Amino acid sequence: DTGVSQNPRHKITKRGQNVTFRCDPISEHNRLYWYRQTLGQGPEFLTYFQNEAQLEKSRLLSDRFSAERPKGSFSTLEIQRTEQGDSAMYLCASSLAVSGGETQYFGPGTRLLVL
Amino acid sequence: GDSVTQMEGPVTLSEEAFLTINCTYTATGYPSLFWYVQYPGEGLQLLLKATKADDKGSNKGFEATYRKETTSFHLEKGSVQVSDSAVYFCALKGGGFKTIFGAGTRLFVKA
Repeated sequence: DTGVSQNPRHKITKRGQNVTFRCDPISEHNRLYWYRQTLGQGPEFLTYFQNEAQLEKSRLLSDRFSAERPKGSFSTLEIQRTEQGDSAMYLCASSLAVSGGETQYFGPGTRLLVL
Repeated sequence: GDSVTQMEGPVTLSEEAFLTINCTYTATGYPSLFWYVQYPGEGLQLLLKATKADDKGSNKGFEATYRKETTSFHLEKGSVQVSDSAVYFCALKGGGFKTIFGAGTRLFVKA
């Protein structure tokens, strides 16, 4: 088991461009989460998938953000028409639904810089 | 809405000192509580958790007790090591799917 992986690890883009990030969860995990983390803050929840179904989206997620998890495996997060305020670390986490408090396993993150 | 407040850092201690990082929360119902740690250059990882009142989570010499009467989940360690230098995040998960994180507390341990 190689853990949660995210690609790319770093992305620099110009304002107005579209970017797409990929997350590969731990293989047997049915839950997948995306978070955004800015400097000096904790992760902020963006969206959640159970298998391929997107069950919850944060109000932080504007219409420029979209996430998919086809076939309940890897997930992608796309940001359209990027803005400087989108600069942050984007974290993916996966877990297995169990009773008594699931453990989320985090990937290393994709750091986005919008110029 | 639900929220987590943890003490601001950085916290600087000498090796073998006692550590407390305070965490309080606001939530409806009975959330699960977590401490996550982020070592330099690494991703977030779960340190310990507690799922109901009076539960004590423990791992690697760290412990925290779920106190519903004071809505707190303070992290403690009796004797810190240089290798404990990291950022520590308190978090809660209520009835939905969202996990709410505190802002993080950076710990520096000097040899």
